[in-house]
Amino acid sequence: NAGVTQTPKFQVLKTGQSMTLQCAQDMNHNSMYWYRQDPGMGLRLIYYSASEGTTDKGEVPNGYNVSRLNKREFSLRLESAAPSQTSVYFCASSRVNEKLFFGSGTQLSVL
Amino acid sequence: QQQVKQSPQSLIVQKGGISIINCAYENTAFDYFPWYQQFPGKGPALLIAIRPDVSEKKEGRFTISFNKSAKQFSLHIMDSQPGDSATYFCAASTGNQFYFGTGTSLTVIP
Repeated sequence: NAGVTQTPKFQVLKTGQSMTLQCAQDMNHNSMYWYRQDPGMGLRLIYYSASEGTTDKGEVPNGYNVSRLNKREFSLRLESAAPSQTSVYFCASSRVNEKLFFGSGTQLSVL
Repeated sequence: QQQVKQSPQSLIVQKGGISIINCAYENTAFDYFPWYQQFPGKGPALLIAIRPDVSEKKEGRFTISFNKSAKQFSLHIMDSQPGDSATYFCAASTGNQFYFGTGTSLTVIP
């Protein structure tokens, strides 16, 4: 099993550019999440999807949009990237109130 | 507002020693308390977890102590090894909402 797969692993953007981070899981989990990790800040929830067809805002949703394409896939879109969005992004999935399985992360730099 | 407060930010322990990381929370609705271990360049991975109906859970060298009345929980790593050097995150959740501490960077010196 691949678990949670994220693409790309690295990305450099210029301010104002857009991009989509892709995430797929093969564990038949209902819940999927997008987190960002910044030094000294821990992991902060951007958006989550409790089930196919639903999405909800987390702690830091501004500047991001998400799409739960189907049960397997949950994408994160930056419409107009800003330097403050430079971070490491992690996708995760889980059954309800059980452990999170994380992807290997996307390192994003916005210049 | 930080839902889960974690300390210390960094920790240096001699090989064979005990590493202790502490976390505190406010929301009494939390009902699942996992600890994650993260190595550089990797995603966090579940290390051990506890639910509030027990006060302690042990898996090998790793133990969670849970104090429901104080709203605190801690991770103890016994006989710490250089391979345990990593960043550790506590978390608390209810339903689909997971809240993480800010992380503790553990270095185990040989």
